Amino acid sequence: DAKTTQPTSMDCAEGRAANLPCNHSTISGNEYVYWYRQIHSQGPQYIIHGLKNNETNEMASLIITEDRKSSTLILPHATLRDTAVYYCIVSQLNYQLIWGAGTKLIIKP
Amino acid sequence: GAVVSQHPSWVICKSGTSVKIECRSLDFQATTMFWYRQFPKQSLMLMATSNEGSKATYEQGVEKDKFLINHASLTLSTLTVTSAHPEDSSFYICSARVGAGELFFGEGSRLTVL
Repeated sequence: DAKTTQPTSMDCAEGRAANLPCNHSTISGNEYVYWYRQIHSQGPQYIIHGLKNNETNEMASLIITEDRKSSTLILPHATLRDTAVYYCIVSQLNYQLIWGAGTKLIIKP
Repeated sequence: GAVVSQHPSWVICKSGTSVKIECRSLDFQATTMFWYRQFPKQSLMLMATSNEGSKATYEQGVEKDKFLINHASLTLSTLTVTSAHPEDSSFYICSARVGAGELFFGEGSRLTVL
């Protein structure tokens, strides 16, 4: 079973920041938080991952709480092409990923 | 990022025939590749882990004789669905890990068995 809890769906206005929450209260010390997304009928796309510190790359920012029991993926300026299912996964490095249901993010014009 | 390519992207076949799906790492070598299956409106389910030069490791409930996996080189893994039936119709996705972090995924292959 997936170790994370995400809202089933979210809406966000185009141009706004999309903040996607994820709860992982049972995360262990050596588990990372990974985010992937899947656009309809395509393979998943890696977004970002982190252990303790907040991370940022060209796609998104990952904010991890100090107790590591939850995190937030931030898409700073959402576009229509960001409409996808976003998966938050916790896993040790080089371990298989267990996929939950994810959050269906709909960006509205 | 690293590129993983799958072929074919979609295939339609008759019941009882076998279908081969290829997964290639285009710009890196992958000692390990993963095969997933995804039914409509469901999440990805890991089928097996493909190791170069050795036998694949299958997840519980996945029939190894039905889903044949071959990983003969560091850039190619194949999944053959043998004696396919309509219930095997699904979206099959492969992935490979680069370094110690992220997985890169192929575009997926949609199989429809008539």
